[in-house]
Amino acid sequence: RKEVEQDPGPFNVPEGATVAFNCTYSNSASQSFFWYRQDCRKEPKLLMSVYSSGNEDGRFTAQLNRASQYISLLIRDSKLSDSATYLCVVNIYNQGGKLIFGQGTELSVKP
Amino acid sequence: GAVVSQHPSRVICKSGTSVKIECRSLDFQATTMFWYRQFPKQSLMLMATSNEGSKATYEQGVEKDKFLINHASLTLSTLTVTSAHPEDSSFYICSARRGTSGGWRQFFGPGTRLTVL
Repeated sequence: RKEVEQDPGPFNVPEGATVAFNCTYSNSASQSFFWYRQDCRKEPKLLMSVYSSGNEDGRFTAQLNRASQYISLLIRDSKLSDSATYLCVVNIYNQGGKLIFGQGTELSVKP
Repeated sequence: GAVVSQHPSRVICKSGTSVKIECRSLDFQATTMFWYRQFPKQSLMLMATSNEGSKATYEQGVEKDKFLINHASLTLSTLTVTSAHPEDSSFYICSARRGTSGGWRQFFGPGTRLTVL
């Protein structure tokens, strides 16, 4: 079983749609959680950290459920520029800052 | 945000040659850097953790004699792919770890696309 698993996608949605990505992690020692965005042939860029209380940044809302080891990302009012691959990432406690990446979910927002 | 550079951005080489990739933290010192590899349609896989002044820590399944890592200064780590073969063709990305007000963060370089003919 992969340490971090995501919806395989791709997700094809129209502009203005709301889209949700799900992610589960297997290591209960996971300490920190993130969503990264990766554009084609580019490096990943941090979108937002994920906190137990849930957090929002504009059109983006991230949720964390430690009990079920589940992370989500909600994008409201999708824009064409949101088209990218979204990576769920965890940091395991006491492993020297290593990040474990999910396989990513591809989002394509159409006009 | 912090800036991490990689050089070269793209390299094409013949099978059997060695290729060196540089990763530099431009505006901060990084005692720890990480090297990742990404194959098409797959996620980033950590290859090794590079620590300044000491040996790198390799992930399971990564050959340390094939992927040589040197972290000789606080701003530079190098990855050398020795005797490269077509199956080594991939996108290699480094990151540098830096403390921030919100805790430790990794800042990624722009990646190096390696094609081995």
